[in-house]
Amino acid sequence: KAGVTQTPRYLIKTRGQQVTLSCSPISGHRSVSWYQQTPGQGLQFLFEYFSETQRNKGNFPGRFSGRQFSNSRSEMNVSTLELGDSALYLCASSLAPANAEAFFGQGTRLTVV
Amino acid sequence: QKEVEQDPGPLSVPEGAIVSLNCTYSNSAFQYFMWYRQYSRKGPELLMYTYSSGNKEDGRFTAQVDKSSKYISLFIRDSQPSDSATYLCAMSKDTDKLIFGTGTRLQVFP
Repeated sequence: KAGVTQTPRYLIKTRGQQVTLSCSPISGHRSVSWYQQTPGQGLQFLFEYFSETQRNKGNFPGRFSGRQFSNSRSEMNVSTLELGDSALYLCASSLAPANAEAFFGQGTRLTVV
Repeated sequence: QKEVEQDPGPLSVPEGAIVSLNCTYSNSAFQYFMWYRQYSRKGPELLMYTYSSGNKEDGRFTAQVDKSSKYISLFIRDSQPSDSATYLCAMSKDTDKLIFGTGTRLQVFP
């Protein structure tokens, strides 16, 4: 079966712009989590959605937001981009919230210039 | 102090060696323990997960959890150059988010 699909794979944005990233989970998975990965901080949890509701949120500023649609697809948005937002953004899907068997997509590499 | 500590490496071993990767943690409430493998420019791939203490084996990989010592390990037998990647440990409390280690970079040379 198809894995987790993230689009786009690569993005280059300018400081101050906003960006929207998309994640399509594995068919049948209803939980989607987002992570930011940087060389210095590793993988850091952004938020988790289940059945269109945000269940959990990490320690990121309000510029980072997300949502989940009725088909379980999820988007995350970052507004007023800063240079420090350059990172690999990863989406993981699982059958249930915080399930140990979480499967990751390939990620979206965001570069802010 | 981070909740999960992992030596960043790099760990360089010859082909065929037994590799030991480790993580320590501070939160005794963690119950689920996972190991992910991440190749360069790819997303993490789930290798194994364990609930509570004990061992779990899958082919050349063995995961061990010692809750009394707050210590988890991943052993790779007969290591191959294709095992060269970054290995991430992750753990969670019941129905809570995953907390990741920073990853150990492994290099297996022929």
